[in-house]
Amino acid sequence: QITLKESGPTLVKPTQTLTLTCTFSGFSLSTTGVGVGWIRQPPGKALEWLALIYWDDDERYSPSLKSRLTITKNTSKNQVVLTMTNMDPVDTATYYCAHRTPITMVRAFDYWGQGTLVTVSS
Amino acid sequence: EIVMTQSPAALSVSPGEGATLSCRASQSVSSSLAWYQQKPGQAPRLLIYGASTRATGIPARFSGSGSGTEFTLTISSLQSEDFAVYYCQQYDNWPPALTFGGGTKVEIK
Repeated sequence: QITLKESGPTLVKPTQTLTLTCTFSGFSLSTTGVGVGWIRQPPGKALEWLALIYWDDDERYSPSLKSRLTITKNTSKNQVVLTMTNMDPVDTATYYCAHRTPITMVRAFDYWGQGTLVTVSS
Repeated sequence: EIVMTQSPAALSVSPGEGATLSCRASQSVSSSLAWYQQKPGQAPRLLIYGASTRATGIPARFSGSGSGTEFTLTISSLQSEDFAVYYCQQYDNWPPALTFGGGTKVEIK
């Protein structure tokens, strides 16, 4: 059974760096083909993909946010960490981590965490 | 970056009726298209990938079609649990990005 759970601060100040941790179970990030991504959703708005890391340490980022994002993995702890620098109130959103389906060539997400709401405010 | 446009933004449907949701890509994404369902306060659920393949456990009343730039999600005979927001997502343009549409809200009429 695959589960994911996001953790991190619920409130950050503008200009601060956000660090979110995704702790998962039911799969290993050392298995070929496995990936974990981050997706966010501002209140009442659509989903936005942020980043994705693969079993082989390949990292991919949203072009519009690439300069602010870093995604890393700790295979032994079953965790993926996302950092986002220079936070702004427009970054207020629910942040989800998700398991990329292992189906070959399909970059969609079949298991999602419950999400964590991050508010950016002074 | 490929832009995904969904229409309509909202759709009112009576239980038992069918619904057709559209998703258009600003350039061809082949069949690299997924659909998700999201209910209030919940994470999205993967319904369809490869434009037309149902994900594990998804009822047969959900079907996807299309390729290139035009895609459709059809829900036959809506059940109460189907009223939700639906998002399409392309994964063909890689790199640089995975992109989601703006969503279609299916409401009870």
